[in-house]
Amino acid sequence: EAGVAQSPRYKIIEKRQSVAFWCNPISGHATLYWYQQILGQGPKLLIQFQNNGVVDDSQLPKDRFSAERLKGVDSTLKIQPAKLEDSAVYLCASSLKGSPNTIYFGEGSWLTVV
Amino acid sequence: DAKTTQPPSMDCAEGRAANLPCNHSTISGNEYVYWYRQIHSQGPQYIIHGLKNNETNEMASLIITEDRKSSTLILPHATLRDTAVYYCIVSVTGANSKLTFGKGITLSVRP
Repeated sequence: EAGVAQSPRYKIIEKRQSVAFWCNPISGHATLYWYQQILGQGPKLLIQFQNNGVVDDSQLPKDRFSAERLKGVDSTLKIQPAKLEDSAVYLCASSLKGSPNTIYFGEGSWLTVV
Repeated sequence: DAKTTQPPSMDCAEGRAANLPCNHSTISGNEYVYWYRQIHSQGPQYIIHGLKNNETNEMASLIITEDRKSSTLILPHATLRDTAVYYCIVSVTGANSKLTFGKGITLSVRP
């Protein structure tokens, strides 16, 4: 079974520029998550989708971050404009049932803002 | 904030058991204990979970104290590939549950 696919794997941008990350979850997984992981810290949940609806976006900095999952499958996370502190790994994860033991993570998209 | 406390790091010798401790003194009755690990440059990977009974699978064993305020993840025969950050997480189960990660414990397995 194919895992969670993310792209791009690496991205370097200047501050105030924009960037978008794409995620293709495991086939059939209704729940999709975006996490942000800053170096030396554990992942932090940014947004959780159930199909194409948002379940939790309480920690998403909505002034600069946006995410969508229009058809309930693929998802895009956008940052505009980027700040230096946005340098992190952005992890996408998906789950069939939504329970913590069924969550599968992608390898992440590494963002460096200079 | 994470509801668990883990030491920042530990090491063990290859082939020996690795016992990773976790404190979760404020755990609620309906919260499970989950363990994930993250190998360098990869996303986190589920290991095991439990409510109050000890659990074992092909990867590890989970020992939960009777009062449920702490637990230990046991890797019975650690290998170099087990070097990773291990996260202990408490969470309810169900469709809208979510993982709240702390800093985890870095396990270094030495040859």
